[in-house]
Amino acid sequence: AQSVTQLDSHVSVSEGTPVLLRCNYSSSYSPSLFWYVQHPNKGLQLLLKYTSAATLVKGINGFEAEFKKSETSFHLTKPSAHMSDAAEYFCVVSLSGGSNYKLTFGKGTLLTVNP
Amino acid sequence: DTAVSQTPKYLVTQMGNDKSIKCEQNLGHDTMYWYKQDSKKFLKIMFSYNNKELIINETVPNRFSPKSPDKAHLNLHINSLELGDSAVYFCASAQGVTEAFFGQGTRLTVV
Repeated sequence: AQSVTQLDSHVSVSEGTPVLLRCNYSSSYSPSLFWYVQHPNKGLQLLLKYTSAATLVKGINGFEAEFKKSETSFHLTKPSAHMSDAAEYFCVVSLSGGSNYKLTFGKGTLLTVNP
Repeated sequence: DTAVSQTPKYLVTQMGNDKSIKCEQNLGHDTMYWYKQDSKKFLKIMFSYNNKELIINETVPNRFSPKSPDKAHLNLHINSLELGDSAVYFCASAQGVTEAFFGQGTRLTVV
């Protein structure tokens, strides 16, 4: 079984300040982990992915995430928030290996960026 | 050139009607999915197909029937639509355990 918990449903930051979106996962196998972003009335775009290579993963738009197996966490960070970062963010886990894999989504974190 | 495309983008229909949503991917992926996003933004998998074969069916009512004529297409047909079916439906494709690519979504409103 696999699951993912996003610890905050809403995070509000000021423009130019750091962003931290928290995610914990549970997986019986070696997981693949992803962060997706969804802007209002848009589809889902991949920000970054971890698939058992480097534990610090860099993504698009200055985002990065660190896989910590001991803490079963995959938190998303960005040093300096931009107004355009305001969106819904989803942490996602999938099983590694086999063809019957599915993506299990967290409930999402709404990021608000204040001017 | 859109990787995963869904049609229509918006669909407004009355209760009891039957409707279909179409999805096509040009990425050459073997696996395609349908996800449902509810009003609270929660995304839940409905179906998964691998090379035209159903491999995941997540306790979705029988009124929902996916069809995959070939591995580039996965359509979703919904019979006897109910108010609770109102949601955004996303199609996605993937190759193995790599990331999934999502369509822009179909916003279904049942009135």
